Amino acid sequence: RKEVEQDPGPFNVPEGATVAFNCTYSNSASQSFFWYRQDCRKEPKLLMSVYSSGNEDGRFTAQLNRASQYISLLIRDSKLSDSATYLCVVNTGSGAGSYQLTFGKGTKLSVIP
Amino acid sequence: NAGVTQTPKFRVLKTGQSMTLLCAQDMNHEYMYWYRQDPGMGLRLIHYSVGEGTTAKGEVPDGYNVSRLKKQNFLLGLESAAPSQTSVYFCASSDTRGGTGAYGYTFGSGTRLTVV
Repeated sequence: RKEVEQDPGPFNVPEGATVAFNCTYSNSASQSFFWYRQDCRKEPKLLMSVYSSGNEDGRFTAQLNRASQYISLLIRDSKLSDSATYLCVVNTGSGAGSYQLTFGKGTKLSVIP
Repeated sequence: NAGVTQTPKFRVLKTGQSMTLLCAQDMNHEYMYWYRQDPGMGLRLIHYSVGEGTTAKGEVPDGYNVSRLKKQNFLLGLESAAPSQTSVYFCASSDTRGGTGAYGYTFGSGTRLTVV
């Protein structure tokens, strides 16, 4: 089982739609969780951290389910500018793994006019 | 404030040639990382550094060497390039161990390397 797994998509949604991505991770000792965004041919950028209690940033909501070892990202009222690849990212928080982030392969979102 | 700067942005190498990719950050970050990104494979860690003078192997270190002689610079070397090293290389830095702080990783814009 890969460390961080995501549905690659693509998710093609109309403007204004709500879309949700899920991600699963294999290491139950993982401590820190994030969503990064990567535009085509650009570098990844931090979108938001994911906290155990869930957190919201404008139209974006992230949730963590430690028991089932999955993370979700919900985007409400999708904009054309949300079109990108969304990367699920985990830090295992122990040993050598604590010094690095492990990236999922990403889920591609296309928001259509 | 430039953040993380990678040079060169593009390069074509012949099999067997060598080259060095330079990563420079001006944020006084302790931690620096080299990743490669291939279609369908995601970002994979090559080497990382937890401070000046330190380096450590990541997930895919074979065929690469690194050095961190100055805190602001992290160099990635390919001694004898192979077609399998065709990829996009990203450097990143963070002010916290493992990029777990509020700002995560700051990435450079990448180097697109083709080995023919």
